Order: sequence, then C-alpha cells, then structure tokens
Amino acid sequence: DAGVIQSPRHEVTEMGQEVTLRCKPISGHNSLFWYRQTMMRGLELLIYFNNNVPIDDSGMPEDRFSAKMPNASFSTLKIQPSEPRDSAVYFCASRRMTGSPLHFGNGTRLTVT
Amino acid sequence: AQTVTQSQPEMSVQEAETVTLSCTYDTSESDYYLFWYKQPPSRQMILVIRQEAYKQQNATENRFSVNFQKAAKSFSLKISDSQLGDAAMYFCAYSLPGGGADGLTFGKGTHLIIQP
Repeated sequence: DAGVIQSPRHEVTEMGQEVTLRCKPISGHNSLFWYRQTMMRGLELLIYFNNNVPIDDSGMPEDRFSAKMPNASFSTLKIQPSEPRDSAVYFCASRRMTGSPLHFGNGTRLTVT
Repeated sequence: AQTVTQSQPEMSVQEAETVTLSCTYDTSESDYYLFWYKQPPSRQMILVIRQEAYKQQNATENRFSVNFQKAAKSFSLKISDSQLGDAAMYFCAYSLPGGGADGLTFGKGTHLIIQP
C-alpha cells in the first residue's frame, strides 16, 4: 500500500499563474477528497468525489478553483489565476468506503507571491 | 451544518503523564463517526482512533482511548504515558455515515506539547 501520493510537495508561484496539484489515491478507494489547511481557517473541505463523480463542491472558494477526477487513480486541483490568499497546504485524501477513515497524502504547500 | 469544537488551542503535559484533549460536536443525526487525527510537524495527517456513534463502548488503541458521551456530544481523547513522539496537533473530526456531504468536518485542533 503506497498511500495517497500528492505532487508536488512544494509549489512556489507568482500571482496570476496557473497552479495544478495532483493526487493519486489508494487503489480500491472509491472516494477522494481535497482539503485546504491554513492557520486562520483550519482544515476546509473543498470538494469530494465518489466513484470519480464530484458529489459536493460547495467548499470550493470561487471559480478560480476547479477539480477533476478523470479516472479512479488520478485527480487534479487547479487554481487559475492564483492569488496570494491561496497560499496554504492542500491535502488530498481517499477512503475505501463511507465511514472508514480518510487516508491523507503528505500535502502540497503552495506559496503564491 | 455539523460543527466540531476543540476548546483547547494548546495543552502541555509532562512526559509519562496522562493528558485529555476535549472535543464537542453539534449534530442532529443519530448515526455518525468520530475520529481523532494527529498531525506532527512533518504535516502528515495520521489516524489515531475511530469511534462509531452507535457503539457505546469507547474505542481504544494502545495508549490512546476516548471518552464518548453521545448525549453530551462529547468525544475526548486520553493519551496515557505521554511520549515525546506524541507532540503534535490533534484534530477531532466528524463524519456522517453516507449520502450528501459526508466528508470529514474537522475541529480547529489542539497543539499538544510534551515536556521532558
């Protein structure tokens, strides 16, 4: 079990640039979640997928954010254009079934200057 | 909407002592799941313990145990024989059993300091 794999681990970009964060969930897990962590707001659920279908994206802050899951083994979170207030740690997590624990990746620390 | 409250931003305990981290939650549901996660400085989120609301027995995992009080909507974490490696942020989380928005809702966290 390789765990949830996120890339990159760190990303530094300039305001206005497009940022793409990537996630590979654990094989066999049917739900995938994207969280954002900041000191001020803690851990916020941005969006989650069940069987590759987006179920709830009410946490996506604005239209600059978009997420896709083209297949069961890959998801992306894209920010276009990025802004300094997007600076945070972004976590991807997957889950085998409802009620089972979420398994988190190591997160991507995004810094937008 | 469900909310999770951790009222202790920071706790400090002597090594080998016992510490209890508090968590309360607000829900109108009768069936749900509760979790404690640990986040060390490496920022990795590590599951500590899980509790199913319909089970009255408190979950335990080695030195970690919970005091689940369903009527009071309380879910505290007890760490016995604290070790230096226990130093981390601890997050309490709530999840519905399915349907709708059933991602984890997290509290703001408690920073646990272990004093040698």
